[in-house]
Amino acid sequence: DTGVSQDPRHKITKRGQNVTFRCDPISEHNRLYWYRQTLGQGPEFLTYFQNEAQLEKSRLLSDRFSAERPKGSFSTLEIQRTEQGDSAMYLCASSLASGYQPQHFGDGTRLSIL
Amino acid sequence: QKEVEQNSGPLSVPEGAIASLNCTYSDRGSQSFFWYRQYSGKSPELIMFIYSNGDKEDGRFTAQLNKASQYVSLLIRDSQPSDSATYLCAVNTGSSNTGKLIFGQGTTLQVKP
Repeated sequence: DTGVSQDPRHKITKRGQNVTFRCDPISEHNRLYWYRQTLGQGPEFLTYFQNEAQLEKSRLLSDRFSAERPKGSFSTLEIQRTEQGDSAMYLCASSLASGYQPQHFGDGTRLSIL
Repeated sequence: QKEVEQNSGPLSVPEGAIASLNCTYSDRGSQSFFWYRQYSGKSPELIMFIYSNGDKEDGRFTAQLNKASQYVSLLIRDSQPSDSATYLCAVNTGSSNTGKLIFGQGTTLQVKP
């Protein structure tokens, strides 16, 4: 049973560039979640999908952020025109389709904006 | 008021002692509650989850839930230095079928040999 896989593990980019992260969930999980975590804080919810449908998006998420899950399997998170404040760990999690089901996290993508 | 609150610590306990980690939440409609462990530089790892009032035990870990007091706790018995980490409380608020988890800021636990 492979866990949640995220790529890349680290990304360093200049301010203003676009970045894209990929997440592959546990194969039988139909829900996929994106969170962002900064130092000393708990993960902050960004958005989640059930199959290919994006069911909720955080109001804190600016228009520069977009996520897709086109075939209900892997997902991508894109950040356009990156800013210093986007520096964080971006975590992906997956679960079965119920709020009672635990979410399992990938290793995360650490984004550093120069 | 934050939706999920934890004391950031650090909580320091000697090896072999019981560590008690606490969490309060504001949404009375919350249905499911999760504890994650996070080592420095790593991602959160699920330890336990609880849905019903009372205690739930798994090895050295016991989760306790009191919905009337909006309080959930994690007890770690026979604490080991390898338990030193940040413990995150997460709450699934509102409808039982929503996917959104709200996390506390985490409590740092230090177990001293």
